[in-house]
Amino acid sequence: AQSVAQPEDQVNVAEGNPLTVKCTYSVSGNPYLFWYVQYPNRGLQFLLKYITGDNLVKGSYGFEAEFNKSQTSFHLKKPSALVSDSALYFCAVRDPSSGGSYIPTFGRGTSLIVHP
Amino acid sequence: NAGVTQTPKFQVLKTGQSMTLQCAQDMNHNSMYWYRQDPGMGLRLIYYSASEGTTDKGEVPNGYNVSRLNKREFSLRLESAAPSQTSVYFCASDGRGLRTKQGETGELFFGEGSRLTVL
Repeated sequence: AQSVAQPEDQVNVAEGNPLTVKCTYSVSGNPYLFWYVQYPNRGLQFLLKYITGDNLVKGSYGFEAEFNKSQTSFHLKKPSALVSDSALYFCAVRDPSSGGSYIPTFGRGTSLIVHP
Repeated sequence: NAGVTQTPKFQVLKTGQSMTLQCAQDMNHNSMYWYRQDPGMGLRLIYYSASEGTTDKGEVPNGYNVSRLNKREFSLRLESAAPSQTSVYFCASDGRGLRTKQGETGELFFGEGSRLTVL
């Protein structure tokens, strides 16, 4: 069975500092990996994904993530945090080799708080 | 382009009442999903529909039913609401299998959520 772990419930960072939100996964095949962001009282919005190709993927709002197959990780990063980045972040995985609909599995979410 | 639209946005029910949450997408997606979000629990899949005419149970299907009315619409019904069903419900659709110039899709598109309180 596939799974996703976000080991930190909350990440605090000062505005202007780099941020990292961690994600590790477990699948039997080659994963499709995703990051989503949720602002208060809103739905989840897609940020970026890794399907194949370059291990470093770039997404919306200056975010990027690095796929590391040996460490089964897909950490979300941004070089310089903004107060407006404060939100709930979800990592998700899909395993196309699992057949059928290869339902996505979400992590429990990490609350990012950027302090002015 | 509206994306995924859910109604209602808010609802308060009494225990035992029934209601239906509506969801529609205008992106010609095959797959649709219903999730619930509870504090500390992340997103849990209730039901999904891989294509028009099919539905399957997810992680937490008890107390719910679904209907995939057509390719656009996927509704979630609570037949006899219970306080444990107080939650925020999200509908999502999925471009899986649709190939674009950018390559394989696979990300989900979410509605804005329906906040349900059962007293």
